[in-house]
Amino acid sequence: EDQVTQSPEALRLQEGESSSLNCSYTVSGLRGLFWYRQDPGKGPEFLFTLYSAGEEKEKERLKATLTKKESFLHITAPKPEDSATYLCAVQAWGGSEKLVFGKGTKLTVNP
Amino acid sequence: GAVVSQHPSRVICKSGTSVKIECRSLDFQATTMFWYRQFPKQSLMLMATSNEGSKATYEQGVEKDKFLINHASLTLSTLTVTSAHPEDSSFYICSATDAEDNEQFFGPGTRLTVL
Repeated sequence: EDQVTQSPEALRLQEGESSSLNCSYTVSGLRGLFWYRQDPGKGPEFLFTLYSAGEEKEKERLKATLTKKESFLHITAPKPEDSATYLCAVQAWGGSEKLVFGKGTKLTVNP
Repeated sequence: GAVVSQHPSRVICKSGTSVKIECRSLDFQATTMFWYRQFPKQSLMLMATSNEGSKATYEQGVEKDKFLINHASLTLSTLTVTSAHPEDSSFYICSATDAEDNEQFFGPGTRLTVL
């Protein structure tokens, strides 16, 4: 069974304090690993898709990396507007495009 | 990125009534759409996979007669919660896959409250 574990569950940072969120996964055959941002009461907002170990993608203050067992979302010099829940999901090969989500990391950035 | 819309954004209904939620991909064609449910402070749980022109595939434990899914076109899928009860109150979110680049985009969600 495909599984995704995110840590920590919650993270509080001061503005400008860089950190990383972890996403560990087990999957029969990784087709893609997805990162989303979700604000309260809203649908997830797509951030990145990673496909193979060693791949990296960046968007503004966010950088996602991927190994064979885990992915990291690095946040450099965060701002209060980066506060949200960050969700990680995996997609396996095998005909279905469905995503299996972790429980998320709730990030709070204090000014 | 691509845009997925949902309607309505919020609905309150009485127990025993049926509620229909629409999910549309606005600027791309989606052969596959997904329906999720999210309870407070929990992650997204996949309910069913909806393929255009064919029957939906439901996840284990999801009642297909209670949650009716129709994917009538490449841009529209609907979820009907039949004979809703208070325990069906939740945040329902749809997503659609842009087949060209395997990116999956989510709608803004529908908050269902059953009294």
